Amino acid sequence: DAGVIQSPRHEVTEMGQEVTLRCKPISGHDYLFWYRQTMMRGLELLIYFNNNVPIDDSGMPEDRFSAKMPNASFSTLKIQPSEPRDSAVYFCASSFQAAFGYEQFFGPGTRLTVL
Amino acid sequence: AQSVTQLDSQVPVFEEAPVELRCNYSSSVSVYLFWYVQYPNQGLQLLLKYLSGSTLVKGINGFEAEFNKSQTSFHLRKPSVHISDTAEYFCAVSEVNRDDKIIFGKGTRLHILP
Repeated sequence: DAGVIQSPRHEVTEMGQEVTLRCKPISGHDYLFWYRQTMMRGLELLIYFNNNVPIDDSGMPEDRFSAKMPNASFSTLKIQPSEPRDSAVYFCASSFQAAFGYEQFFGPGTRLTVL
Repeated sequence: AQSVTQLDSQVPVFEEAPVELRCNYSSSVSVYLFWYVQYPNQGLQLLLKYLSGSTLVKGINGFEAEFNKSQTSFHLRKPSVHISDTAEYFCAVSEVNRDDKIIFGKGTRLHILP
């Protein structure tokens, strides 16, 4: 398996633009997580899905952020409109039966810069 | 709710010297504990985990960690570090049968000095 795939790897955009980050989890995994990493705040869980259903979105910073998982092999994280403070590395991770101590497998991340 | 504290944000250590990265957790129920490593410009990957059983857990790349329930600690150790161990290390906790999500600490950056 190729592991968790994220695209794009780097995104530079201007304030106010819409940004869409994409993730393909490992086949057979039933949990998908979106994280944001910054120097100031460390690694933050934004939202996670189980069997394509959002379970906890309490980490989503505000209404400008939205996430979808239309099927088991694809998820998107959208920021509209983007702001400079959204600049961070965004990671997607997937897991099988996460509640039983199974590890999360992380993608390489998308480095987002909002000018 | 559970929480994780990594006491050191940065740890410098000479090559071939031993290292300990400290982690303490807080939870009212039984927990699973993890150490993840993040190499520069990469995602996190699992080093080791404690689910149950022996309190000494061995992981990849010569790392090990010891679960101490009375001290609520899960410190990571390596007897002799190599330059390739330069990375950020994250301690993480999840609650047994209570929650699907893992709570990560803020990370400890390990600097290997030549």
